[in-house]
Amino acid sequence: GAGVSQSPRYKVAKRGQDVALRCDPISGHVSLFWYQQALGQGPEFLTYFQNEAQLDKSGLPSDRFFAERPEGSVSTLKIQRTQQEDSAVYLCASSPLRTRDSNQPQHFGDGTRLSIL
Amino acid sequence: AQKITQTQPGMFVQEKEAVTLDCTYDTSDQSYGLFWYKQPSSGEMIFLIYQGSYDEQNATEGRYSLNFQKARKSANLVISASQLGDSAMYFCAMREGRGSGNTPLVFGKGTRLSVIA
Repeated sequence: GAGVSQSPRYKVAKRGQDVALRCDPISGHVSLFWYQQALGQGPEFLTYFQNEAQLDKSGLPSDRFFAERPEGSVSTLKIQRTQQEDSAVYLCASSPLRTRDSNQPQHFGDGTRLSIL
Repeated sequence: AQKITQTQPGMFVQEKEAVTLDCTYDTSDQSYGLFWYKQPSSGEMIFLIYQGSYDEQNATEGRYSLNFQKARKSANLVISASQLGDSAMYFCAMREGRGSGNTPLVFGKGTRLSVIA
């Protein structure tokens, strides 16, 4: 498809396990964002890539969270030693070439719903 | 302080009627963009409409229009001729200028709209 693709759609893990969430952005989109959406809340920024460079990781809640985009396309968000508070929907968004305009919408995937037992 | 405030946790509207979803924002930047997204129960975030801080005209996209009052720092979404398929969560979001179009979005907590037949 032409949209942002995320997998898996649902992930259940036991506390303490590591998980990896994948995002396949729209082809040619330079910018890639990860957001965390807790139940009943709006999405909150985690980290941002421009091509393969991680330019902003200020939203990552702890050093258990790690993201990469080694070839500037697919990105993986990894959470180590998961905790119950990590349960949320993880949304990936991409947008095209960097622009000085602020009007470029971000295109979101369907998200991965992560449940930590 | 909240950067984006959506004061209506839930709204009901009769089918075919118009509804206004409120959004106020807080920024000291002169250049910023305001976005509205729709999130159905399936989870995807669907971009609806954009308003730039320098735009003199209110944005319109089909049945969606944005009532932008810059002095009041409000950017309310108006949906005309509501349809049953409009039932969803609606998020207001802001991107502050900082000279780049690819800074993260800051979201409000959302408003759940229910359209009644």
